[in-house]
Amino acid sequence: NAGVMQNPRHLVRRRGQEARLRCSPMKGHSHVYWYRQLPEEGLKFMVYLQKENIIDESGMPKERFSAEFPKEGPSILRIQQVVRGDSAAYFCASSPGLRQGVIFGPGTRLTVL
Amino acid sequence: TQLLEQSPQFLSIQEGENLTVYCNSSSVFSSLQWYRQEPGEGPVLLVTVVTGGEVKKLKRLTFQFGDARKDSSLHITAAQPGDTGLYLCADRSQGGSEKLVFGKGMKLTVNP
Repeated sequence: NAGVMQNPRHLVRRRGQEARLRCSPMKGHSHVYWYRQLPEEGLKFMVYLQKENIIDESGMPKERFSAEFPKEGPSILRIQQVVRGDSAAYFCASSPGLRQGVIFGPGTRLTVL
Repeated sequence: TQLLEQSPQFLSIQEGENLTVYCNSSSVFSSLQWYRQEPGEGPVLLVTVVTGGEVKKLKRLTFQFGDARKDSSLHITAAQPGDTGLYLCADRSQGGSEKLVFGKGMKLTVNP
């Protein structure tokens, strides 16, 4: 079992470009979560998805950020028109169901120049 | 909004020393979890505690949960360089959401 996989591990973008972060949950896990870790701020929840549905997006910035978890394929966190403040580590986690332990991926480190 | 405060924020010790890190919540914990995060990696779950007064041991790590379920401590005995990392406490958000609320963490460095 390969665990939660995220790619790319490192991503560099210039201001104004788009960033696409991918997350493949563990086999058998249908619940996906995205978290952002900024220096000095700790891990912050962004969004919780199940297959084809956004369940809780209360932590997502209102503009430029979107997430999806299609029926087939990985979950995608998309950041449009990136700014320097978007530089952070983005972690995906998955779980097999409600109230069950989550497994975190290794993260994608986004750097915006 | 629930707030989790951890102390100390940073700790640098020598191999063989003991240490304790604390986690305090602004409200009663729903399901307290402790994680360890190594540089460049994601958090890894160490333990989950739900019952007030509960004590759990994991090799050299001892986790205590306060009777009132608003505070917790993690004690490491005879720290080793492999214990180096960021220790995070977290709670499942109040109100039934599946999201986790994290403290800012305690960055531990154990020098050989």
